[in-house]
Amino acid sequence: AQTVTQSQPEMSVQEAETVTLSCTYDTSESNYYLFWYKQPPSRQMILVIRQEAYKQQNATENRFSVNFQKAAKSFSLKISDSQLGDTAMYFCAFSMRFGAGTRLTVKP
Amino acid sequence: DGGITQSPKYLFRKEGQNVTLSCEQNLNHDAMYWYRQDPGQGLRLIYYSQIVNDFQKGDIAEGYSVSREKKESFPLTVTSAQKNPTAFYLCASIGRPNTGELFFGEGSRLTVL
Repeated sequence: AQTVTQSQPEMSVQEAETVTLSCTYDTSESNYYLFWYKQPPSRQMILVIRQEAYKQQNATENRFSVNFQKAAKSFSLKISDSQLGDTAMYFCAFSMRFGAGTRLTVKP
Repeated sequence: DGGITQSPKYLFRKEGQNVTLSCEQNLNHDAMYWYRQDPGQGLRLIYYSQIVNDFQKGDIAEGYSVSREKKESFPLTVTSAQKNPTAFYLCASIGRPNTGELFFGEGSRLTVL
């Protein structure tokens, strides 16, 4: 089975600062999608950003961007100008599988 | 508005009882999924279905069963064989064309008393 690893169970960041969440995955496929999802306290899963593996360019969605290193099978999420509303669980996902998640707390 | 509806949101069950969680979608999506989430853990895949009348086991299928008689519906039954069923259950679907993006319901919290 495909595996997804998030090695940071918890992280915190000061409001307005930048934080990077790490994710690695394992696959022998060459074309696939990678995702970051956010789960706030409401527990509703929300798509943050998507990366297509055959695209060289890193995906960006407003304050959220990824650093996709295909050869290293690494897919980190960078959150710039962190806001209190970014406090949530963040999950990296690949091929129906999810990492264990990183609990991010944004401090005022 | 299109979406995925899970019911009930909260469910209590006595040990030894089977319980069925409902998942209905009006997004016209082919593929549907069931995940289990435990505190401090990620989502673990229970079952998935890519087409009506067909489904496959995920990583933790033991003690669970599903059916897919209609495109819109993918109910999950938690049987008495599931040793530790207390958890948060999420249903999801993937639309066409297949981007791989999962759309989620709001989840069902099952507690075994």
